[in-house]
Amino acid sequence: SQTIHQWPATLVQPVGSPLSLECTVEGTSNPNLYWYRQAAGRGLQLLFYSIGIDQISSEVPQNLSASRPQDRQFILSSKKLLLSDSGFYLCAWSVKVLGTQYFGPGTRLLVL
Amino acid sequence: SQQGEEDPQALSIQEGENATMNCSYKTSINNLQWYRQNSGRGLVHLILIRSNEREKHSGRLRVTLDTSKKSSSLLITASRAADTASYFCAPEGAGSYQLTFGKGTKLSVIP
Repeated sequence: SQTIHQWPATLVQPVGSPLSLECTVEGTSNPNLYWYRQAAGRGLQLLFYSIGIDQISSEVPQNLSASRPQDRQFILSSKKLLLSDSGFYLCAWSVKVLGTQYFGPGTRLLVL
Repeated sequence: SQQGEEDPQALSIQEGENATMNCSYKTSINNLQWYRQNSGRGLVHLILIRSNEREKHSGRLRVTLDTSKKSSSLLITASRAADTASYFCAPEGAGSYQLTFGKGTKLSVIP
């Protein structure tokens, strides 16, 4: 069966510090991968999606970047965090681009 | 991209009652998905209804789709405290390449 992991679960970082969030999927090959952010009381905002290695699309201009060093690994990064980067970050995968998405447990990021 | 708008934003009911949440969208769709999110957790897929279907059931869940009104509803029958969560719809717009989630309906089931 397929599983998706995210870490860390919780992170408190000072403004201006770097960020690296990791997401890995097990039990499937060539998944479509997604990074979402959910701010308090708001819906999910799609940040990045990837249909394959070296194929990453950005949906919203921001100081975040994403990389996919391996088929089932998706990393969200920032060189300098802003206060507005605080939120709940969710990674998800799907078999098809518009298919059912399977979400990880999320990372709660607080930037102080 | 196609975004669904859930209504109401919040709903509070007694255990055992039925809960109905609605979703509206703006352009034609191929399918529409519903998801649940427990507090502090990731989303979980509940059900997918295709554009040529009008109703679909899964356990205590009943989803309807009215493409002429560009709306869908999710009915949870005989609600339980464990149904307390936020519910999101995700319409798959024709020609789109991604799912877009709205702000969801926050359901509270009071024991």
